[in-house]
This record gives sequence, C-alpha cells and structure tokens, in this order.
Amino acid sequence: DAKTTQPPSMDCAEGRAANLPCNHSTISGNEYVYWYRQIHSQGPQYIIHGLKNNETNEMASLIITEDRKSSTLILPHATLRDTAVYYCIVRGGGTSYGKLTFGQGTILTVHP
Amino acid sequence: DSGVTQTPKHLITATGQRVTLRCSPRSGDLSVYWYQQSLDQGLQFLIQYYNGEERAKGNILERFSAQQFPDLHSELNLSSLELGDSALYFCASSVVASGQETQYFGPGTRLLVL
Repeated sequence: DAKTTQPPSMDCAEGRAANLPCNHSTISGNEYVYWYRQIHSQGPQYIIHGLKNNETNEMASLIITEDRKSSTLILPHATLRDTAVYYCIVRGGGTSYGKLTFGQGTILTVHP
Repeated sequence: DSGVTQTPKHLITATGQRVTLRCSPRSGDLSVYWYQQSLDQGLQFLIQYYNGEERAKGNILERFSAQQFPDLHSELNLSSLELGDSALYFCASSVVASGQETQYFGPGTRLLVL
C-alpha cells in the first residue's frame, strides 16, 4: 500500500469547514483512499473512501486530485465533537482486502 | 455505534497472567481483524480471520493467539503478559460493497498489565 503524508496537527473554528490534506504521491491505479478518525481512544471510525471521483456522504466530502497524488477530506461545518485524530490510508482495491496501515494522522482541534 | 462489540471494556491484570479478549462482529460480517494500539507504536495490525480461518498475520507475538468461532465471534488470547502488553486492543469486522472492503471498529478493550 502506498505511503501517506499528513500534517501532524490542524486547528479549525467551530462552524467553519475543516480541510484536511493528505499526500499519497506513490498511489497506484487500483488503490483507494480511505479516511478514518479516532476520537480520544475510542475505536477508529470510518468516514469515507474513494478511488478517483469526488465522494460525499453524511459525514464528509473527499476531494481527490486528478493525478490522484493527493486528497482533501472536508468536514463542512466542524463541531467540537469533530476534534479527533484523522487518518488517511491508501489500500488496494478489488480483492486486495486486508489490514489497514495507520500512520500518525492529523490531530484536528476544533475550537469555539 | 459501529455494531461491533468487544468485552471487557477494561482489564487489569498482573505480569505473567493470561487473558482473553472477545469480539462480536457486525451481523453478517465474516471477517474479523485485531489491532493493538500502544502509546509508542500507534495502531498496529495483529491478525485477521475470515469465516473461521486465519487469513493474515501482522506483528503478532507468539504469546498471542486468536481464533474465530462458528458463530463468527473471535477471541484474542494473550499469555505470559508483560508490562509492554498494556495497550488498547481493537477488533474490526468488514463488509464488502461494490467490490471494496470497509472495516468497522469496535470500542476496544483497554488492557493494563501491572
């Protein structure tokens, strides 16, 4: 699985959009980008995943650049409860199931 | 709530002891993964079971073992415990949709070895 690079920490004001970047310059054609978050020692929570098209669900939006070398997770209206460690993970698609490799992630702090 | 349950939530034991952690996957999920999260190592994959069979192994110590039962629940057995085994242990079960697998994590078991 390709490696990812994320900023160690970010701040965001409550009610504003939080844009979390991730670089994955060595991503290959069949690898997906997944985002998870972990709120204070709870189990990691699945947020969203995508291959090359932008994706949106009830939690967030995922924007993947055309060359697929980077992506941005967008929380449109951050709340205090979105304070967490956010992990960007690249993994194989299709039948390439298996472990998730977590990096250090980005600590997002949402402040009032 | 992910639908994955883990028991117990907390476990305190002594060095040299043996403990068993239990995981119940989401209804219908055949795959169970175990992960360990310690302060210095981050989240690390230990082992995966699929429909009762071991599918993949990660950085799992020989003192640790796991199994998945016919009802698909899984147990992680940790023996000859050491101080360094103190950690959060998570299990995840997975679902496949549109040919892509997504893992959903349980709330974890916090193990403290004294």
